[in-house]
Amino acid sequence: AQTVTQSQPEMSVQEAETVTLSCTYDTSESDYYLFWYKQPPSRQMILVIRQEAYKQQNATENRFSVNFQKAAKSFSLKISDSQLGDAAMYFCAYRVSGGYQKVTFGTGTKLQVIP
Amino acid sequence: GAVVSQHPSWVICKSGTSVKIECRSLDFQATTMFWYRQFPKQSLMLMATSNEGSKATYEQGVEKDKFLINHASLTLSTLTVTSAHPEDSSFYICSARDLSTGTNEQFFGPGTRLTVL
Repeated sequence: AQTVTQSQPEMSVQEAETVTLSCTYDTSESDYYLFWYKQPPSRQMILVIRQEAYKQQNATENRFSVNFQKAAKSFSLKISDSQLGDAAMYFCAYRVSGGYQKVTFGTGTKLQVIP
Repeated sequence: GAVVSQHPSWVICKSGTSVKIECRSLDFQATTMFWYRQFPKQSLMLMATSNEGSKATYEQGVEKDKFLINHASLTLSTLTVTSAHPEDSSFYICSARDLSTGTNEQFFGPGTRLTVL
């Protein structure tokens, strides 16, 4: 069974600084997707970034980037120039490739941004 | 991106009654939708996969007779919590997969907070 582990229940970062959220996963599949989702207090899940496992290049989306280490099954999220609006729960997630495959979520990391 | 709506956003009901939650994909067709449950300060736990025109697939430990799922059209799935009890109080989130995107991206609804008195 696939599992996703986030070992940091809470993290804090000073505004404008950089923070890295950790995620590891376990799978025997070779073709899959990894995601980071943001859940602000409104509870709306927002996709932050996506990584296809077959791509060696790390995904980036503006201030958000990932460090994908396939052999180590590690998928960390780096947030640069942190902003107050980045404060939220962040969930790492995994899905096997294929249209009907379910998404498995990690336990989440609560990020606090300090002004 | 594609939009998924849920209705109602918040519902309070008495113990023993049934509650229906709707999940709609507003600008795309979704043959598959997913229902999640989220307890306070916890992660999303998949309850079931809703398939248009066929029976839902439930995760282990989820009572299919208690959580009735109907996916009658390509844009609507409903979750009915039957004979609700206080322990069913939770945040229910649906998502829909847009198969027209190359990555089958999943879009989430805003969630429904259920409180059973």
